[in-house]
Formats: sequence, structure tokens, C-alpha cells
Amino acid sequence: SQTIHQWPATLVQPVGSPLSLECTVEGTSNPNLYWYRQAAGRGLQLLFYSVGIGQISSEVPQNLSASRPQDRQFILSSKKLLLSDSGFYLCAWSFGGSYNEQFFGPGTRLTVL
Amino acid sequence: SQQGEEDPQALSIQEGENATMNCSYKTSINNLQWYRQNSGRGLVHLILIRSNEREKHSGRLRVTLDTSKKSSSLLITASRAADTASYFCATDKTDSWGKLQFGAGTQVVVTP
Repeated sequence: SQTIHQWPATLVQPVGSPLSLECTVEGTSNPNLYWYRQAAGRGLQLLFYSVGIGQISSEVPQNLSASRPQDRQFILSSKKLLLSDSGFYLCAWSFGGSYNEQFFGPGTRLTVL
Repeated sequence: SQQGEEDPQALSIQEGENATMNCSYKTSINNLQWYRQNSGRGLVHLILIRSNEREKHSGRLRVTLDTSKKSSSLLITASRAADTASYFCATDKTDSWGKLQFGAGTQVVVTP
């Protein structure tokens, strides 16, 4: 069976500090990978998606970047955090080559102070 | 921008009652999905309905899709306290490579 991991679970960072959130998937190969952000009481906003190693598509121009150094690893980064980067970050995967249901990780709660 | 919009924003019912929530969207889709999110947790996939389907069932869940009206409904029958969660519809637009657009969600509270 497949599992998805995200860490850390919570993070409090000062404005201007760097960020690195990690997501890994187990039990499948060549998954599609996604990063979403959810503001309080809102729906999800797609930030990045990837259909293969080194392939990243950005949906929203912003202070964040993503990388996929390995097949089942997806990293969300920032060089300098802004207050507006606070939110709940969710990683998700779907089976490669199909665009059906997505499976979500537990999320990272980021607070920028 | 959000493709799906859920209605109502919040719903409070008692155990045993049915809960119905609706989703409207704006452009042609490949499929529409419903997800559940418990407070502070990740989303859990509930059901997917394709654009050529009109109704689908899964356990106590019933989903309908009306592509002419660009709308979908999710019915939870015989609700339980454990159904308390936020429910989101997500659409996969034509030629979107599987990228989902989520609505703002319906917050459902089921009281014992």
C-alpha cells in the first residue's frame, strides 16, 4: 500500500528566514506530486505540481519554489519567508499517467512571525 | 481563482439526519471529486464522478452531477457525529493535466 509523509508537522519561523518542507511517498513509482496551500477556513490553492523528476510546474507566482530531486520526494522551499506565507501546506500524490483521485499527506502548519 | 463553490458554507444537523451540500463550477470538466477534511488534517478522497456520469453511490454517500447546470451535490445519509468535517468539491478541468481546483468547502457539524 502507498503512504505519504510530510514534515515537519508544525513550524514557526521569523520573517526573512528560509523554509524547507519535505514530502515523500512510499509504495508507488513515478507519482504525480502536488503542493497546496490552505488559508484558514478556505479551500486549497495549488502551488506546484510535478509529473516526473526535475519537472516542476508553478501555478502561482510567489515567494516559494519547489524541487523534485528524487522520484518520490517533493520539497517546498523559500529563501526568505513573508508574513503572507503563513498557512497550512499540503502535499498530495496521484498515480502517474492518470489524473484521478489525489492522496493527501497530513500537512504542515506554518506560522511566520 | 476557485472553480468550485460549495453551498451552504456551513451546515449543522443532528445524528441520523441527512446532509446535502452543493457545488457549482464554471468551466467544462473531466471529473468532479469530493473530499473530506477533519480539522487540522489532510484531505481524504470520498468519491469521483466523471463528466459522463450522472449519479454515483459509495456507502452512505450519494453524488449527482448535472453538467448542463455545472453543478454537483453530495448527500450523506444517516449522518453520524464522525461525519463532522469540512467537505470540498474539486474539479479537474478539461486539458488541465489533472490539476484540481477546490472550492472553499462546506463545514458540517453533526451533533449527537
